[in-house]
Amino acid sequence: AQTVTQSQPEMSVQEAETVTLSCTYDTSESDYYLFWYKQPPSRQMILVIRQEAYKQQNATENRFSVNFQKAAKSFSLKISDSQLGDAAMYFCAYISGGGADGLTFGKGTHLIIQP
Amino acid sequence: DGGITQSPKYLFRKEGQNVTLSCEQNLNHDAMYWYRQDPGQGLRLIYYSQIVNDFQKGDIAEGYSVSREKKESFPLTVTSAQKNPTAFYLCASSMIEGTVGVTEAFFGQGTRLTVV
Repeated sequence: AQTVTQSQPEMSVQEAETVTLSCTYDTSESDYYLFWYKQPPSRQMILVIRQEAYKQQNATENRFSVNFQKAAKSFSLKISDSQLGDAAMYFCAYISGGGADGLTFGKGTHLIIQP
Repeated sequence: DGGITQSPKYLFRKEGQNVTLSCEQNLNHDAMYWYRQDPGQGLRLIYYSQIVNDFQKGDIAEGYSVSREKKESFPLTVTSAQKNPTAFYLCASSMIEGTVGVTEAFFGQGTRLTVV
C-alpha cells in the first residue's frame, strides 16, 4: 500500500516570506500523480497544484511551486510571498496512474501566517 | 455550474441508527470516493467506485456501506456497526482518462456527522 508522510504538523511564516512544506511518499509504481490540497477553515478542499510523475519539470502555479525529487520520493511545496489567505491545512496526496485505489493523503500541515 | 453536492451539511445520529449521506456530481466523472476526516488523521478512504454498479473497500470500510446505481450518485450509509461515527465526511470525484491517467479530485463541502 502506498503511504504519504508529512513530517511537519505545523509551520509558521511571516507574511510576504517564503515557506516550504515537506512531503515524502512510498510506492513501487512508476506511473502516478501527486497533489497538494489546501483546506481553509471552511473545510472545502481546494487543489493547489498537480505533478505527473513522468514529467521532469516541476509544476508551478503563480506563487506555488513544487520540488519533485522522484528518486528520493519527495514532493515539497514552496509558497512564495505568503499571504494571510494562505493560512490553512495543507495536504499532500498520491494516486496511481490508473486511479484504481483512490487518493492517499498525508496527515496534513497546519500553516500559520504571521502578519 | 458543475460540481459536487453533499447533503446534509450537519447530521445527528442516535446510537444504533443507520444514516445515509448523499453525494451527487454533475461533472460526468467516472470515479467517486468517500473519505473520513478526523483531527490529526488526515483523510482516510472509506469506499471508492470507478464505474456504475461496482465499488471497492478502502482502508476503513467496516461499519459503512455504499451503492453506485447511477454515475452521478454515490450515497454512503453509516451503519450501527460503526462504533465511532462522529467525524467529517468528504465525497470526491475524478475523471479517469485511459492512458492519460486521472484528473485531480474535486470535493464536496462535506457532512459533519455527530452521534448524540
